[in-house]
Amino acid sequence: ILNVEQSPQSLHVQEGDSTNFTCSFPSSNFYALHWYRWETAKSPEALFVMTLNGDEKKKGRISATLNTKEGYSYLYIKGSQPEDSATYLCAFIEGSNYKLTFGKGTLLTVNP
Amino acid sequence: KAGVTQTPRYLIKTRGQQVTLSCSPISGHRSVSWYQQTPGQGLQFLFEYFSETQRNKGNFPGRFSGRQFSNSRSEMNVSTLELGDSALYLCASSLGQQTDTQYFGPGTRLTVL
Repeated sequence: ILNVEQSPQSLHVQEGDSTNFTCSFPSSNFYALHWYRWETAKSPEALFVMTLNGDEKKKGRISATLNTKEGYSYLYIKGSQPEDSATYLCAFIEGSNYKLTFGKGTLLTVNP
Repeated sequence: KAGVTQTPRYLIKTRGQQVTLSCSPISGHRSVSWYQQTPGQGLQFLFEYFSETQRNKGNFPGRFSGRQFSNSRSEMNVSTLELGDSALYLCASSLGQQTDTQYFGPGTRLTVL
């Protein structure tokens, strides 16, 4: 059974703060890592798909890095806004299969 | 382009009954995956279909089954419902490669009494 861990479980920050959280996954047989944002009462929304060691992706104020050798990815949010409040999920794809194994997410709350 | 749609959005059943959930993918997408979301377990993979073939299955009992039709629409069936099957069931569609983005539907909230 694959283990995808996310930390912290939850985070409260003030508007304007920058923050980051971690996704850990098995370093063997890596194929891809997906990041999603899930706002309350909405569907999960894709942020990034990362495949190469050392990958860095950016979308507005959100960016992510990937280290496949040590099995972790960081998600960074610069200058958090209340609308960034959501659960951030990472999902790992192993080898030749087609299933996403999700972590339990980091719940981010940005206070105005 | 229309998004992923799921029907019904809410469902209440009693133990022992069976239920069928439906998912219509984004036009042109051939892969449909199903997930169960519960507060304690997070999002758990049920199965994935591509061009009417199941390519992967998660660790769920045989009471959970699915199928995909030639138009890529997919159904999921749960037989002999148990209280623990109460959950949000999400489907996601994609073009079908492992690095393709999966687009999620709004989910079906199933309550088993």
